[in-house]
Amino acid sequence: GENVEQHPSTLSVQEGDSAVIKCTYSDSASNYFPWYKQELGKRPQLIIDIRSNVGEKKDQRIAVTLNKTAKHFSLHITETQPEDSAVYFCAAPRISSGSARQLTFGSGTQLTVLP
Amino acid sequence: ETGVTQTPRHLVMGMTNKKSLKCEQHLGHNAMYWYKQSAKKPLELMFVYNFKEQTENNSVPSRFSPECPNSSHLFLHLHTLQPEDSALYLCASSQREQGGQPQHFGDGTRLSIL
Repeated sequence: GENVEQHPSTLSVQEGDSAVIKCTYSDSASNYFPWYKQELGKRPQLIIDIRSNVGEKKDQRIAVTLNKTAKHFSLHITETQPEDSAVYFCAAPRISSGSARQLTFGSGTQLTVLP
Repeated sequence: ETGVTQTPRHLVMGMTNKKSLKCEQHLGHNAMYWYKQSAKKPLELMFVYNFKEQTENNSVPSRFSPECPNSSHLFLHLHTLQPEDSALYLCASSQREQGGQPQHFGDGTRLSIL
């Protein structure tokens, strides 16, 4: 089955600096890679996603890059702000016991932006 | 975003109690999911329903019993739970049951087993 490994598990940055979180996956057929942000006590929310036919996608201060050859994808947050502090999860589809691929989530990265 | 609503938000129950968690989505989606979120562990997929038919049971103990009466509603019936079942239970929905579809989550039910 699909293994999604996420690093680092915790990340502290100074306000204004950049943050990078990386994930690797094992199934070469995976074609969709979302990133979720979960603030304390709140629901995971989709913040950006990328499909396998592109290598990079940007949305204001966040971007995701995909390297299909190396089977890894990364979340980049620039000009970090205190409200970026949260747990971030990556995910990738995996072969499951059912007929459809299901998302497998990474273990999460606790990002803390220090003022 | 209030597209996926879960009730109750918090639940404390004894090991011999029976309770149910409810999830409702107003997004017109056809697939619904139950996840378990424990501290310092990845989100664990429990069940998947597609057009109200169960398509995945990820080796979940029988003390958890899902029910999906229609594409908008999903329940998780709980009976004779164990202390290790204490966790945040998240419901999600997507347009279709495919790994390439974005999933929208509810706020979850924080479950504590005494």
